[in-house]
Parts: sequence; structure tokens; C-alpha cells
Amino acid sequence: GAGVSQSPRYKVAKRGQDVALRCDPISGHVSLFWYQQALGQGPEFLTYFQNEAQLDKSGLPSDRFFAERPEGSVSTLKIQRTQQEDSAVYLCASSLMTGTENYGYTFGSGTRLTVV
Amino acid sequence: AQKITQTQPGMFVQEKEAVTLDCTYDTSDPSYGLFWYKQPSSGEMIFLIYQGSYDQQNATEGRYSLNFQKARKSANLVISASQLGDSAMYFCAMSSSGGYNKLIFGAGTRLAVHP
Repeated sequence: GAGVSQSPRYKVAKRGQDVALRCDPISGHVSLFWYQQALGQGPEFLTYFQNEAQLDKSGLPSDRFFAERPEGSVSTLKIQRTQQEDSAVYLCASSLMTGTENYGYTFGSGTRLTVV
Repeated sequence: AQKITQTQPGMFVQEKEAVTLDCTYDTSDPSYGLFWYKQPSSGEMIFLIYQGSYDQQNATEGRYSLNFQKARKSANLVISASQLGDSAMYFCAMSSSGGYNKLIFGAGTRLAVHP
């Protein structure tokens, strides 16, 4: 597609429920990032994929968070047993390139997760 | 540890005037990149401008310019001839070490352009 597509746009989950957030990157983009943006703050890094390989998951806040990109295109961020502190906007970004010249990110519009 | 600081929670500017959004950073890496993103109310992050730490000249992209002062560790964004559509959140970010430009963001500045 023309841009990075994220779904759903909004998600309300009851505490303890599992959720799955989807990211459709731009076709052919090698790099894919997930960021978490709490209300009134800047985005914070969660995890990075290069094709299907998850090269960095140092930002995942707990073992309830899991991300995958099995075929090197679509990625899913899964949160198990959601807690109120998981409420945030989850942003996905993709890039054609890897390495230190990788500043051509394209971000999606995000999924706003509200845990009640 | 790497850190980005944006000290202006909110700024306002008259249409057609210039505005400077402040950003300071902290890193011990000799090589790094500095970015500015715009986030309108729709939520997506829009890339505005990039400055590499070894670039000799300040980056410019249309009405956007980056005032890079390496010794002071500052990377301020200057928007010239502000337009109503410039009203948004603006984030300064820095690439961390690791080779794939994982970004560290500041807390952002909300810019309001008044007619």
C-alpha cells in the first residue's frame, strides 16, 4: 500500500483481556519498528524487526508483550492479560533500509489502546 | 545514557512568522543522527528533517531548518513563515547506537499557529 496501515484504529479492552494489534508496512520495507506512546509523552521504542528476524526486543516492558513478523511483512503486537498501564497509542514504522542511513521511516497512524 | 530534552511544552506563533522549537540532547556516541517529527491530531508521525552528527552544514528542508550546535548539544528546529497547518505536536529524536536507527524521542512541544 501507499503507507503504513495499522488496525484497529481504536481498541478498548477489559483488564485481563488479550489484544492483538496489526501493522501492514509499506511493501518491500525491510525494517519494522513498534513504539509505545503514552498520553502526553513521546514515543518509546518497543521492538525492531529486520525482515522476519526480531533483532531487538529490549523495549518490551514485560513478558506479556510479544511481537512477530513471520513472513517479513505484516507484524502483530500481542499483549496478554492487559493492565491499565498498557493504555497508550502503539505506533508502527517501516523503512526500506537498514543500518545507520535508515532515516526514511514511515509511521502509521497508530492504534489507541484503552484498558478499562 | 542517551536523552532528548524539549523544555517547551507549548508554543504559539502568529501566522507567517518564524518560530524556534528547542531541543537538547545527551549522548556519548561519536556518531548519531538527529530528527524532527510532526504529529498532527490524526496521530501519525511525519518526518520533517534529519541532521547527521558529522554534517558540516545545518540541514534545511523547505520551510524547516535545523540549527545544529554540536558543542552545546542542541538541535533546534526553525519553522519559517508559519502556516495554520503547522499547528501540531513536534518531537525531537535521536538515533541510538546499534546500527539501525532506533529512535529516542523527547516529550514534545505543542505548537499553535494563530491567524
